[in-house]
Amino acid sequence: EAQVTQNPRYLITVTGKKLTVTCSQNMNHEYMSWYRQDPGLGLRQIYYSMNVEVTDKGDVPEGYKVSRKEKRNFPLILESPSPNQTSLYFCASGTFQSSYEQYFGPGTRLTVT
Amino acid sequence: AQSVTQPDIHITVSEGASLELRCNYSYGATPYLFWYVQSPGQGLQLLLKYFSGDTLVQGIKGFEAEFKRSQSSFNLRKPSVHWSDAAEYFCAVYAGNQFYFGTGTSLTVIP
Repeated sequence: EAQVTQNPRYLITVTGKKLTVTCSQNMNHEYMSWYRQDPGLGLRQIYYSMNVEVTDKGDVPEGYKVSRKEKRNFPLILESPSPNQTSLYFCASGTFQSSYEQYFGPGTRLTVT
Repeated sequence: AQSVTQPDIHITVSEGASLELRCNYSYGATPYLFWYVQSPGQGLQLLLKYFSGDTLVQGIKGFEAEFKRSQSSFNLRKPSVHWSDAAEYFCAVYAGNQFYFGTGTSLTVIP
């Protein structure tokens, strides 16, 4: 089954404790992206990757890091989480050879206390 | 910077009534335009997209959208709403390798 998986689905952590949210897709997509969703703000792009070893900042990259060492994986790293990073995070992947459609993961609910 | 505006935060319609959700974008050229739907507790699913050509595009679940360049709009429509259409709807633009989403419109369907 074609899908984007994220882990963990729910995470409660404390300020300053490094964490990684994993994202994996099995569709051989070139494009991968991370978004955060906050009430009243919609989805905002954090980072995106056009292909392996190619990443770039989205609109809200501060406090986040990413890497794209393999085509299928695109982890999101919060090296020193803060309460303002409490949010719902979505990973997405897509191919731009035809449709530019993005496939979204189920989301990760992160709470930073 | 690119932007997407969804003026209606929340809309309530009766089941069987028609629906139109508004979307305006700001971009110098013709962007790639999308509508996504998010059911409660779920990820986003693509309803339809516009790249070029016919300005009226058909999507899944009976939805359609019309691109109007003169108004920088890409409004989503459905002739007859079903209770299962209750969800959050997002308009999005792809421009310069990035995706820009609107703030969403929450749809409530009353019997």
